[in-house]
Amino acid sequence: RKEVEQDPGPFNVPEGATVAFNCTYSNSASQSFFWYRQDCRKEPKLLMSVYSSGNEDGRFTAQLNRASQYISLLIRDSKLSDSATYLCVPEKGSQGNLIFGKGTKLSVKP
Amino acid sequence: NAGVMQNPRHLVRRRGQEARLRCSPMKGHSHVYWYRQLPEEGLKFMVYLQKENIIDESGMPKERFSAEFPKEGPSILRIQQVVRGDSAAYFCASSPREGTEAFFGQGTRLTVV
Repeated sequence: RKEVEQDPGPFNVPEGATVAFNCTYSNSASQSFFWYRQDCRKEPKLLMSVYSSGNEDGRFTAQLNRASQYISLLIRDSKLSDSATYLCVPEKGSQGNLIFGKGTKLSVKP
Repeated sequence: NAGVMQNPRHLVRRRGQEARLRCSPMKGHSHVYWYRQLPEEGLKFMVYLQKENIIDESGMPKERFSAEFPKEGPSILRIQQVVRGDSAAYFCASSPREGTEAFFGQGTRLTVV
């Protein structure tokens, strides 16, 4: 099993839509998880941290399912500015470092 | 509190030259990660360092690449005898301790001609 697996997309959605991404991870020892967004040719930026079962910040909700080893990110009322690649990062890889998945590309259309 | 600073932002080197990429972590952060990203590809982990220690270098090529994070000064990623395939964006991230979120610098874009 890969360290982190994400559906690469692209997800093409209209403005105002609700969209959800899933991410599976292999290291069950991970206690914390992070979602980043990356715009084209820019650095990744932290979107949300998940230390327990989930977290909510405005239009964004992250949920963690430890039993199945996946985390999800839900975006409600999508905006054009949400168009980016979303990266899932468990705290622990096989050697304890931050391993990034390849990300899920989201494109929000008017 | 300044963010993670990387320099230079853009670096052009001829094949066979050396490239030195610098990363100054956020104040109070003692953990540094280096990643490489090719166009249309994901972030590839290279090396994880704490002050004066390499914790994990499993993602770094065994030859030509080295990294350090001295007690004083920035972390340095050094690429000797660069080849065209080294052309990529190199990102550095820092965190205050293991297991916490990391914050990224703007990256150094290396072009080997």
